[in-house]
This record gives sequence, structure tokens and C-alpha cells, in this order.
Amino acid sequence: KNQVEQSPQSLIILEGKNCTLQCNYTVSPFSNLRWYKQDTGRGPVSLTIMTFSENTKSNGRYTATLDADTKQSSLHITASQLSDSASYICVVSAYSGAGSYQLTFGKGTKLSVIP
Amino acid sequence: DGGITQSPKYLFRKEGQNVTLSCEQNLNHDAMYWYRQDPGQGLRLIYYSQIVNDFQKGDIAEGYSVSREKKESFPLTVTSAQKNPTAFYLCASSIFWGLGVDEQFFGPGTRLTVL
Repeated sequence: KNQVEQSPQSLIILEGKNCTLQCNYTVSPFSNLRWYKQDTGRGPVSLTIMTFSENTKSNGRYTATLDADTKQSSLHITASQLSDSASYICVVSAYSGAGSYQLTFGKGTKLSVIP
Repeated sequence: DGGITQSPKYLFRKEGQNVTLSCEQNLNHDAMYWYRQDPGQGLRLIYYSQIVNDFQKGDIAEGYSVSREKKESFPLTVTSAQKNPTAFYLCASSIFWGLGVDEQFFGPGTRLTVL
């Protein structure tokens, strides 16, 4: 069964500090991995999409890494801001045959940035 | 939230009533999706449609129905057969980049509460 596990479940950091969120997956055959940011009561917004051959991808202060061998990904946030307070969701895509792909969603990490 | 709109933002329903959630997109995307989000859980796929007049059941389709008469619209009906309908409902559409990679854009969501 395809699974995506995220840690920690929640995290509180001071404004200006860095943090790293983790994502472990058991999805096969792997196609790509995405990170989304979801503000409370809003729809998720895509941060990065990484394919098998990509190890690192950045989007402003967000940097995602992917280790396809160990099936792990991380999302690093640099110089956090109050607006970074949100849930961060890891999503893994797997090929399910006949040209179709299936997404498996993690439960998310809830990040709170405090002044 | 891109070019995807959902209405209403909040919806209250009495037990035994059917309700329809609206989802419209102006991104010219072929594929559209409905997800359900519950506290502490990952998004779960209800239904998806890859082309007009065609749709497929997701992981939790029981008690829900959809239609796809126009490319821009993918309404979801929550029927009285859905035992626990109170949740946050998210609509998404996607564009394929090729090689199994697609990017999903989410709407702002509808929070349904059964009284």
C-alpha cells in the first residue's frame, strides 16, 4: 500500500529561524514528489514538483530535496516569516497503469512561526 | 487559488438533504478532481474527470455524485447516503507537462457542516 509519512506533525519556530520538514514515502513506481503549502481554510498551493532525477529544487526561501534511493524528501525553509505559518503537505505520484497516475497525500506538518 | 472558484465558501445542511458544491475553472484544464479533507488526515480523492462527459470514482466515492457536462465545470453532489459529510471539500484541476508530471491547482474550498 502506498504511504506518505510526514514529520513532525507540528512545529513552532521563532521568526527568522530556519526549519526542515521531513517526508518519507513507500510509493511505487515513483513518478514525482510535490510539496504544497496550505493556509488555514484555504486550498493548497504548489511549492515544488520534483521528478526522479532531481535532487534539489528551490522556490524562493523554500528548498526541497529528494533522495529516491532512501525514499525521503525534505523541505527547508530559510529565514522564516510569520506568513510561513501554514500546513505543508507532501504528495507523491505513482504510475498506476494505462497512462494513469495516483497521488498519495501526507497528513501534513503544521508550522507556526511566532514573533 | 488560480483560476478555480468554488461556491459557496460555507454550507450548512440538515441531515437527509442533498447539496451540490460548485467548482468552475477558467484555466482550460482537461482534468478536474474533488477531494475531501478532514482534520488530521491527508486529502482523499472522491471523484475525478479527465475529459468532458467522463468521470471515475476515487477512493471514497460512496454517497457522492458528479457530472462533467462542460470542460469548465465539475459540480459535486453530497447525497443523504453519505454518512459523515461534514468536511472541507477541495476542487482541483490539472495540466499535464508530460512524462507523468502534472500540476494540480486547487480552489479555495467549501466547508460543509451537517446540522
